[in-house]
Amino acid sequence: SAVISQKPSRDICQRGTSLTIQCQVDSQVTMMFWYRQQPGQSLTLIATANQGSEATYESGFVIDKFPISRPNLTFSTLTVSNMSPEDSSIYLCSVALSVLSYEQYFGPGTRLTVT
Amino acid sequence: QKEVEQNSGPLSVPEGAIASLNCTYSDRGSQSFFWYRQYSGKSPELIMSIYSNGDKEDGRFTAQLNKASQYVSLLIRDSQPSDSATYLCAVFDNFNKFYFGSGTKLNVKP
Repeated sequence: SAVISQKPSRDICQRGTSLTIQCQVDSQVTMMFWYRQQPGQSLTLIATANQGSEATYESGFVIDKFPISRPNLTFSTLTVSNMSPEDSSIYLCSVALSVLSYEQYFGPGTRLTVT
Repeated sequence: QKEVEQNSGPLSVPEGAIASLNCTYSDRGSQSFFWYRQYSGKSPELIMSIYSNGDKEDGRFTAQLNKASQYVSLLIRDSQPSDSATYLCAVFDNFNKFYFGSGTKLNVKP
């Protein structure tokens, strides 16, 4: 497995502001993902973070709202821009260590509350 | 729209019993299947992966895969109160995307 850390672990933000969430992995990984999990719901994939190129976004998520960076194989950031209360959620980064097994491991998550 | 279906539960079993969790998926081309456990307030934790038809055992956990029926299951033997959590089924398709079910909440009663 991998050790994955996220910062911040939680935050309370005002509407209209932006928050950048960091994800750090203790080893180089090929695949990194960003998910959102709203209370009592399952995981929704926001995007795949691609090293050295633009992220691949899922339907319903756009780069202007959720810009993602991935400068190297161990680090990525997700920014939640121009926040509204509907963005209140848990944001999770995950990694797949191997393109053979595709086993995915999750960071501890960032709990975001927008007021 | 690719789908992964799970019964939301809650599934209640007495301590020591076998808990059986089920999952169906819509994409016949899917090749990799996973079970995650998520405790309340925590992130999902990988407990089993399975790639070929049949059974795969790891301790008290057995994953079963039937690709013809597009069906994956997880059996937990000798269930313990510490197994009480939400269990998520996940499918990885041929386009490098994961799809998660909505999860089944398991309650193991002492």
